[in-house]
Amino acid sequence: EAQVTQNPRYLITVTGKKLTVTCSQNMNHEYMSWYRQDPGLGLRQIYYSMNVEVTDKGDVPEGYKVSRKEKRNFPLILESPSPNQTSLYFCASSFHLAGGQETQYFGPGTRLLVL
Amino acid sequence: QKEVEQDPGPLSVPEGAIVSLNCTYSNSAFQYFMWYRQYSRKGPELLMYTYSSGNKEDGRFTAQVDKSSKYISLFIRDSQPSDSATYLCAMSLGAYGNNRLAFGKGNQVVVIP
Repeated sequence: EAQVTQNPRYLITVTGKKLTVTCSQNMNHEYMSWYRQDPGLGLRQIYYSMNVEVTDKGDVPEGYKVSRKEKRNFPLILESPSPNQTSLYFCASSFHLAGGQETQYFGPGTRLLVL
Repeated sequence: QKEVEQDPGPLSVPEGAIVSLNCTYSNSAFQYFMWYRQYSRKGPELLMYTYSSGNKEDGRFTAQVDKSSKYISLFIRDSQPSDSATYLCAMSLGAYGNNRLAFGKGNQVVVIP
């Protein structure tokens, strides 16, 4: 079954304690992205990756890091989490629509609470 | 001006009614237009997509794009309680290698049995 998986699904942590949210896709997609979703602000892109070892900032990259050492995995790293990073996080993997455009296939989400 | 504007609602309709949702955007270079459906506690799932202007129909769903007005719409006919969800519009430039999607804030829809 084609899917994007994220772990953990729920996480409560404290300010400053480094954490990693993993993301994995089994569709051999080149493109992967991370989003956060907040009430009233919608989905905002954090980082994206066009291929292994190729990453770039999205709209709200501050406080986050990513790496893409393998095609299937795209972890999101919070080196020193702060309460304003409390959010619902989605990993996405891109697939091709007819006509060549790529659009996003989303994971189930990770709900993060930073105390 | 925000890149994509979407009235967050919520929108409540009786079962069987037509649901009408819309988004406006500011970047005339957008070429691909998508609608996602998001159920509570789930990730968004692609519902409809349209390239450039025109209409696209898929079962009870119709997507319309009017590039001259920078306006897109989603219509749901014969709405069902299972259509209760948040609907997000999204759009992109479509250039190869540029898969950044600009999202609207989402519109919550409740279909009342």
